Amino acid sequence: QVQLVESGGGVVQPGKSLRLSCDASGFVFGDYGMHWVRQAPGKGLEWVAIIWHDGSKIYYPDSMKGRFTVSRDNSKNTLYLQMISLTVEDTAVYFCARDPGHFGSWYYFDYWGQGTQVTVSS
Amino acid sequence: DIQMTQSPSTLSASIGDRVTITCRASQSISNWLAWYQQKPGKAPKFLIYKASTLESGVPSRFSGSGSGSEFTLTISSLQPDDFATYYCQQYKKYPTFGRGTKLELK
Repeated sequence: QVQLVESGGGVVQPGKSLRLSCDASGFVFGDYGMHWVRQAPGKGLEWVAIIWHDGSKIYYPDSMKGRFTVSRDNSKNTLYLQMISLTVEDTAVYFCARDPGHFGSWYYFDYWGQGTQVTVSS
Repeated sequence: DIQMTQSPSTLSASIGDRVTITCRASQSISNWLAWYQQKPGKAPKFLIYKASTLESGVPSRFSGSGSGSEFTLTISSLQPDDFATYYCQQYKKYPTFGRGTKLELK
């Protein structure tokens, strides 16, 4: 069965950096696009980034450009999110999620990890 | 960005009720709409795509309809497991979500 397990979250001071990981299993990781989605405390869902199955295309919403970098290692079945210059507004649960498109991307999410909490606080 | 507006924000209902949640897009998105269910402390669960296509394994009491800019999610007969928050999401352009509808027990 498809399994996505995030890690790397924690408490970090404003201005610092953090790298999240998402380990995938139960499917051919290199065949699918992957996303990051976040959810601030008590708030709704916010799309963070997509990386295509082969890493050839990467997109972010304007609000995430410049500080967030998504990458993947298909040999390790792992997705990453590098975050720099963190602010308190980045406090959220960060989910990795699979795009259902096979060798393409539909931009919705059929499987989600359990999430990893990122808290930015001094 | 395409804005998604859900209503109501909270819905109180009883077991066995038929409930409908509405989602409106700020522009036409054809049928590029998905629905998710989320319970407290859990990841969202994927329910419906292309506005009305049920994901495999989702109970048939769930249904989606609509096209253009107005969509609905209907639960035909509420079960105890259905009390949760529901989100719509457009994927005509970069994904954006509605703010959610919390379905609570009356």
